[in-house]
Amino acid sequence: SQKIEQNSEALNIQEGKTATLTCNYTNYSPAYLQWYRQDPGRGPVFLLLIRENEKEKRKERLKVTFDTTLKQSLFHITASQPADSATYLCALDMDTGGFKTIFGAGTRLFVKA
Amino acid sequence: NAGVTQTPKFRILKIGQSMTLQCTQDMNHNYMYWYRQDPGMGLKLIYYSVGAGITDKGEVPNGYNVSRSTTEDFPLRLELAAPSQTSVYFCASSRWGEPQHFGDGTRLSIL
Repeated sequence: SQKIEQNSEALNIQEGKTATLTCNYTNYSPAYLQWYRQDPGRGPVFLLLIRENEKEKRKERLKVTFDTTLKQSLFHITASQPADSATYLCALDMDTGGFKTIFGAGTRLFVKA
Repeated sequence: NAGVTQTPKFRILKIGQSMTLQCTQDMNHNYMYWYRQDPGMGLKLIYYSVGAGITDKGEVPNGYNVSRSTTEDFPLRLELAAPSQTSVYFCASSRWGEPQHFGDGTRLSIL
């Protein structure tokens, strides 16, 4: 079955640096891949979606890459700020309907001022 | 714009009790989902619905039931609560092929 691996260890970085989070998956490539942000005590909030035929997507300070050969997505936050501190979830959709979404456990990011 | 609203936010149940977790959305989304999130684990899909009157099982449906009588509401029913059902429950909604919108969860403890 399809599995997602995100670094379970928290990532600590200094304000102003670029944070890079990794999402690896096994088996076959998804139709698309999503990144969500989750704050303590809150539900996940959608950030970016990248399709299997796209290599890179950007939104303001956020950038997502998708390498179907490596079976990996990288999520970058440039010029990071303490307000970026949260847990970031990777999610794969095996079709475009949405009800076969597989979520990773997330990586906790701490940005120090 | 409220989005997805879940009630209650917290609940403690005794083993064997039953309860219904409420979820309502005001975005006119056809697709609705129930997930559970356990510490260190990804969200696991319990049930989903593609429209009023249509529901289907997800990855971990045992011990739960759902109904979808309207587009807006998608309640999750726990019958005979067990300690293994202690978790945080999230409801979400979406349009076909679009990202999901989540509520802020119900934190459920079963003692």
